[in-house]
Amino acid sequence: QSALTQPRSVSGSPGQSVTISCTGTSSDVGAYNYVSWYQQHPGKAPKLMIYDVTKRPSGVPDRFSGSKSGNTASLTISGLQAEDEADYYCCSHAGRLYVFGTGTKVTVL
Amino acid sequence: EVQLLESGGGLVQPGGSLRLSCAASGFAFSNYAMTWVRQAPGKGLEWVSGISGSGRDTLYADSVKGRFTISRDNSRNTLYLEMSGLSAEDTADYYCAKGQRIGTLLPDYWGPGTQVTVSS
Repeated sequence: QSALTQPRSVSGSPGQSVTISCTGTSSDVGAYNYVSWYQQHPGKAPKLMIYDVTKRPSGVPDRFSGSKSGNTASLTISGLQAEDEADYYCCSHAGRLYVFGTGTKVTVL
Repeated sequence: EVQLLESGGGLVQPGGSLRLSCAASGFAFSNYAMTWVRQAPGKGLEWVSGISGSGRDTLYADSVKGRFTISRDNSRNTLYLEMSGLSAEDTADYYCAKGQRIGTLLPDYWGPGTQVTVSS
C-alpha cells in the first residue's frame, strides 16, 4: 500500500492560515469518510487532531479543521500559533488495511 | 485517563527476534481494536499491524507479514508484537495505539513508544 501524498513542508506567520493536503486514491481517501490527522512534536508521540474527516476530539482548538474533496483530504490551521509548529500526518482506511501520509512539517515564521 | 506504555524494545542482531508489550489502562481494553505503528529515524509513520478487541482478527502491513505476530491478553490489558527475522529496515520507534471507537483500527490515543534497533 503506497503512502498518501502530502507536501513536505508549509509555513506561515502567526495569525495566518495554512492548509495541508493529503492525496490518495479512490481506494483509500476517496472511498471512506474516515480520514484522521495527527500532530507530532519532535521526540513525542502523535496526537489525534481530526477524525472522520471533519470532527475534532475534545480539547483540540477549533482553529484546526478538516475537509475532503474526492481523493484529497485537507487540514487547515487558522490563526497559526507558535505551538502549532510540528509534523502533521493524515491517515486513512485503505481496503482492509490503513495507510499514513508522507508527513508535512509546519513552520511558524 | 487512557494510558498506554510500551516496553521490550532494545538492540537486536539482524535475523533476531524481539517481543514488544503495551500495557493499557483507563478504558475497557477488550472493547477496542489496537494498532502498532512504527517510525524509522527521521522518517514518517508506518502502520504495521492491528488486532480486533476479541483478538480473533488480525491485520499486517505487507512489509511485516509472515515475520511479525500481533496478539493481546485481555485479562492482563496487554498488547503484544512478536517480531522475528529482523533487519535494519525494522529499526524504528514502535508505538501502540488504541482504536478511536469500537470496530476501527484508526488510532486516537498513543503510547510514548519503544525504540528497536537492529544492528550487528
